[in-house]
Amino acid sequence: QVQLVESGGGVVQPGRSLRLSCAASGFTFSTYAMHWVRQAPGKGLEWVAVMSFDGSNIYYADSVRGRFTISRDNSKNTLYLQMNSLKTEDTAVYYCARDYRKMRYKDYWGQGTLVTVSS
Amino acid sequence: EIVLTQSPATLSLSPGERATLSCRASQSVSSYLAWYQQKPGQAPSLLIYDTSNRATGIPARFSGSGSGTDFTLTISSLEPEDFAVYYCQQRNNWPPTFGQGTRLEI
Repeated sequence: QVQLVESGGGVVQPGRSLRLSCAASGFTFSTYAMHWVRQAPGKGLEWVAVMSFDGSNIYYADSVRGRFTISRDNSKNTLYLQMNSLKTEDTAVYYCARDYRKMRYKDYWGQGTLVTVSS
Repeated sequence: EIVLTQSPATLSLSPGERATLSCRASQSVSSYLAWYQQKPGQAPSLLIYDTSNRATGIPARFSGSGSGTDFTLTISSLEPEDFAVYYCQQRNNWPPTFGQGTRLEI
């Protein structure tokens, strides 16, 4: 069955960097766009970024554009999120999610990885 | 960006009752609206897409309706496992945006 497993979260100081990974299995990863969505503690959901199946189309939320970079390695069935210049407001659980219907929705989600930005 | 406002913030009902959750958009999202369910400590799961289509494996007691700016998620007869937080999400425009959620509690 479809599995998405995020890793790479942790505690980091403001201004530092972190790279998240999302290992996919149970489906043909190379044929799906993939999203990152985050959720601050006790708050709602915020879409972060999406990359098309072949990497040719990428979109970011304004709040992370210029600081975060989404990428993928289809040979490794893995999605990445490089996060630079982290701010305290980036503290959240980060979920990767499989795209559904042309970058409109997300049908499978990982369990998330917690990123805490704190001095 | 399009703002989605969900109401009520919290809905208190009993098993077997009917639940009606609302999502209002700041501008038209056509029919490109989805509903997600999130249980405590879990990731969200897709319930409804394109306003009224149930995702794979979703029971028939869940239904969606609406168009333009006003949308409704209805749970016809609540089961114990339905008590959770529900989010609407639009993708008629970039960026995709979520409502703030409705907590459905017993």
